[in-house]
Amino acid sequence: DAGVTQSPTHLIKTRGQQVTLRCSPKSGHDTVSWYQQALGQGPQFIFQYYEEEERQRGNFPDRFSGHQFPNYSSELNVNALLLGDSALYLCASSLRVGYTFGSGTRLTVV
Amino acid sequence: QKEVEQDPGPLSVPEGAIVSLNCTYSNSAFQYFMWYRQYSRKGPELLMYTYSSGNKEDGRFTAQVDKSSKYISLFIRDSQPSDSATYLCAMSGGRAGGTSYGKLTFGQGTILTVHP
Repeated sequence: DAGVTQSPTHLIKTRGQQVTLRCSPKSGHDTVSWYQQALGQGPQFIFQYYEEEERQRGNFPDRFSGHQFPNYSSELNVNALLLGDSALYLCASSLRVGYTFGSGTRLTVV
Repeated sequence: QKEVEQDPGPLSVPEGAIVSLNCTYSNSAFQYFMWYRQYSRKGPELLMYTYSSGNKEDGRFTAQVDKSSKYISLFIRDSQPSDSATYLCAMSGGRAGGTSYGKLTFGQGTILTVHP
């Protein structure tokens, strides 16, 4: 059983560009959350999607947006990239108890 | 003040030692408490999950929650070199739409090294 799959695994972008990260949840999971993890820090909640709607949002600017598709997969979009957006972006899926995380996308903004 | 505080360590112990990891929190609304383990270049992996106060044991791992003190702990008995990783506590206030729990608020993580 495949867990949470994220793509790409690594990405280098230039300041000001836009990026799209993708996530396929674990089979049977209907809720997808996105987290940003800076080096040496715990993950920070960006937003959560359920039934193709954003249900909760963390303290992130509107440059961060997302989408959930009917098959429960999800995308995270970040516009106007800043150097400070460099981080590991984690996708987590869940059904009831606990969350299953993917291995993340390492985004480097130069 | 951060909602969840966790001593980042690093913590270095000999193989076979008992490890104690702790987090304190300030938000009384937290009801679900989790411990995740994260190896380098990997996503967090759920180790233990506890609802409200009490203890929970799973093999060499014991999780404790004291809501009156807003304090949670994870104990690892007979620690092994393979336990070397970053340990993250995480908390949630409960369901927010859908069938799943709301956002997780994480501690900073404690880096643990178990040496042979």
